Amino acid sequence: GAGVSQSPRYKVAKRGQDVALRCDPISGHVSLFWYQQALGQGPEFLTYFQNEAQLDKSGLPSDRFFAERPEGSVSTLKIQRTQQEDSAVYLCASSLEKFWRLNFGPGTRLTVT
Amino acid sequence: AQSVTQLDSHVSVSEGTPVLLRCNYSSSYSPSLFWYVQHPNKGLQLLLKYTSAATLVKGINGFEAEFKKSETSFHLTKPSAHMSDAAEYFCVVSDRSGGYQKVTFGTGTKLQVIP
Repeated sequence: GAGVSQSPRYKVAKRGQDVALRCDPISGHVSLFWYQQALGQGPEFLTYFQNEAQLDKSGLPSDRFFAERPEGSVSTLKIQRTQQEDSAVYLCASSLEKFWRLNFGPGTRLTVT
Repeated sequence: AQSVTQLDSHVSVSEGTPVLLRCNYSSSYSPSLFWYVQHPNKGLQLLLKYTSAATLVKGINGFEAEFKKSETSFHLTKPSAHMSDAAEYFCVVSDRSGGYQKVTFGTGTKLQVIP
């Protein structure tokens, strides 16, 4: 069956540009998570949605980061005025909450030059 | 509060010898626990999960883990390492702290397999 998909897979942005990263979760999955994985590090939590409600955004590193999931399915992570330290792989995961398992997408590798 | 500690950042074993990757967790709720593997430049793959059923959990590729509540541990083991096991392994805790699903990753253990 279809898994979690993310687009684009790779993004190169000049410092100061805005970027938008898309996540298509598995159909019917209530929970959606965004993680940031810097090179050589483990995934760090950014934000969590339950349907369209953003219940936890405590991991967003600054107000340049914004995420939305307006209809409770597709989600977009937007980064404004990108900085070099934003370079990382951004992972999206979805789950049927009661089963707990996170299904990860392939990630978007963002490189800020 | 929820946290995961992976006790070793790097583990090196010879091919054919046992693997032990250590993980301790903290959770105020009945947690679910997972191990994920990430091969270089690849996505995260679920190895196994514990969700309050049997405490000894068998996963893919011969891996297993035992949930020990008294020790708050969920160590990953494999009897005999294979070259293809070389990868990074993440221990993950999930619970309903705050009334909704919260998931935290450990910092990862890089497994090296020596031929």
